[in-house]
Amino acid sequence: NAGVTQTPKFQVLKTGQSMTLQCAQDMNHEYMSWYRQDPGMGLRLIHYSVGAGITDQGEVPNGYNVSRSTTEDFPLRLLSAAPSQTSVYFCASSYSAGRGETQYFGPGTRLLVL
Amino acid sequence: KNQVEQSPQSLIILEGKNCTLQCNYTVSPFSNLRWYKQDTGRGPVSLTIMTFSENTKSNGRYTATLDADTKQSSLHITASQLSDSASYICVVILSGGYQKVTFGTGTKLQVIP
Repeated sequence: NAGVTQTPKFQVLKTGQSMTLQCAQDMNHEYMSWYRQDPGMGLRLIHYSVGAGITDQGEVPNGYNVSRSTTEDFPLRLLSAAPSQTSVYFCASSYSAGRGETQYFGPGTRLLVL
Repeated sequence: KNQVEQSPQSLIILEGKNCTLQCNYTVSPFSNLRWYKQDTGRGPVSLTIMTFSENTKSNGRYTATLDADTKQSSLHITASQLSDSASYICVVILSGGYQKVTFGTGTKLQVIP
């Protein structure tokens, strides 16, 4: 099992550019989520999905879109990048959203918006 | 203001020594509390999980305690190793599941020889 994989590992964007951060898992997990991690702050939930075709907003969804067409993939789209979106992005998955489940995190994507 | 506060922000200890990291939380309704270890440049990895009815949980050299009355948790690391150098993050999961989760800012631990 590869677990949770994320690509790219590092990306530099100019303000206004768009891009998609890829996330895939091979554990047949129903629940997937995206977080951003900024210095001096805890991880914050951007969007999550409880299964294919079902997504919802987390704490900081503005400027980001998601879709979940398959169980395995959960891409995060930045439509018009802003410097405030400079951050490290983590994708996570778990068998369900149940509070007793263990979340498995990907290695992260470091994004710099100039 | 983060509703999950961790202290200290950073800590340096000698290899072989013990240390204790603190977590205070104000979020509610509380369900579970987890401690994660995050190596530099990597994603967090779960160390322990406790429900409100548990007051201690061990995972090898890591022992977590929870006082739900005072809303405090601690992570005790015994006989530290160089590989323990990482950030340790306290996470409170509310009754709604992972859709309602609050991460602490972490304690950065450095173990030196």
